[in-house]
Amino acid sequence: AQSVTQLGSHVSVSEGALVLLRCNYSSSVPPYLFWYVQYPNQGLQLLLKYTSAATLVKGINGFEAEFKKSETSFHLTKPSAHMSDAAEYFCAVNLSGNTPLVFGKGTRLSVIA
Amino acid sequence: GAVVSQHPSWVICKSGTSVKIECRSLDFQATTMFWYRQFPKQSLMLMATSNEGSKATYEQGVEKDKFLINHASLTLSTLTVTSAHPEDSSFYICSAPARRESHEQYFGPGTRLTVT
Repeated sequence: AQSVTQLGSHVSVSEGALVLLRCNYSSSVPPYLFWYVQYPNQGLQLLLKYTSAATLVKGINGFEAEFKKSETSFHLTKPSAHMSDAAEYFCAVNLSGNTPLVFGKGTRLSVIA
Repeated sequence: GAVVSQHPSWVICKSGTSVKIECRSLDFQATTMFWYRQFPKQSLMLMATSNEGSKATYEQGVEKDKFLINHASLTLSTLTVTSAHPEDSSFYICSAPARRESHEQYFGPGTRLTVT
């Protein structure tokens, strides 16, 4: 069975500072990994995905993530935080295209002016 | 890109009544759809897998007689919460798989259910 662990339920950064949201996965086979963002009372928006191509994945809004098999990690980063980045972020995994995603518990990102 | 819609976006119902939530794939066919529930400040938890033309598969702990799922066409799955209780108040989100090789899911915008 696959799972993801997001370290830190809440991360607070200053505007302009580096954003680092951590995600570690557990999977018996090569996984497909995703990062989603959720704004209050809204659905999920896909930020980026890893599907066994390039290990460094660039997404929308300046976010990127690096797949590190040796560390079983897929951490999300952004060089410079913006106020509009304040939201809930979810890491998710699945093993095939027709199976549901398994989500981490989420990390709430706060950006301080 | 492909879009999944949900209706209604929010609903308030009285305890003991039933409410139906629709999930539609707007420009693609979805033989499978997934229903998730998200309680406040929590993550998404899979409730059930909806399969077109066959019975839904429910996750452990989800009452199939309370959460009725019907997937009568390739573009529509419905979730009916029967005899709703305040503890059923939650955000319900559906998703549908994209092209198999992409491994993506298209998510609906969610339905906020409040049971009074």
